[in-house]
Amino acid sequence: AQSVTQLDSQVPVFEEAPVELRCNYSSSVSVYLFWYVQYPNQGLQLLLKYLSGSTLVKGINGFEAEFNKSQTSFHLRKPSVHISDTAEYFCAVSLATWGGGNKLTFGTGTQLKVEL
Amino acid sequence: GAVVSQHPSRVICKSGTSVKIECRSLDFQATTMFWYRQFPKKSLMLMATSNEGSKATYEQGVEKDKFLINHASLTLSTLTVTSAHPEDSSFYICSASTSGGNNEQFFGPGTRLTVL
Repeated sequence: AQSVTQLDSQVPVFEEAPVELRCNYSSSVSVYLFWYVQYPNQGLQLLLKYLSGSTLVKGINGFEAEFNKSQTSFHLRKPSVHISDTAEYFCAVSLATWGGGNKLTFGTGTQLKVEL
Repeated sequence: GAVVSQHPSRVICKSGTSVKIECRSLDFQATTMFWYRQFPKKSLMLMATSNEGSKATYEQGVEKDKFLINHASLTLSTLTVTSAHPEDSSFYICSASTSGGNNEQFFGPGTRLTVL
């Protein structure tokens, strides 16, 4: 079974400052890794994903994440945040098997609050 | 592309009644659909996985007789909350994925259920 840990439940940051949201995972087999963003009362939107290849993954809205196998981490970063980035961010993993239909295991989420 | 809709977006019902939530993939065929439940300020809890034409697979602790899932076509899955009670009040989110591909799930906007 896989598990995901997001140690920071809340991360306050000032606008235009950099931010890092931490995600660690546990799995005995290879996994795919995802970051999703959720705005209030909305569903989830995919920010980025790691399947294979380059460990640095770039996503939408200026976000990027780096897969670190030795540290079993997939931290999300943005060099300069905006007020509009205020939202809940979820890290998730699934089994690394091609074909679709694999379950996602989510972390508990990190509330990013961008302040002026 | 890859749009998933849910209907209704918000529903209020009386205790003891049943409520049906629809999840549709608008521009792709979804061989697998997932139903999640999200409590306030909490992560997503997978309730069940449904494959088109098959019975849904429920996660441990989810009552299959209370949460009826039907996946009759490649573009529609329904979740029926039977004999709803106030403790069933929650945000229900569906997602859909295709058979070929990288396990990406496309999420609906969610349905807010309030049981009085």
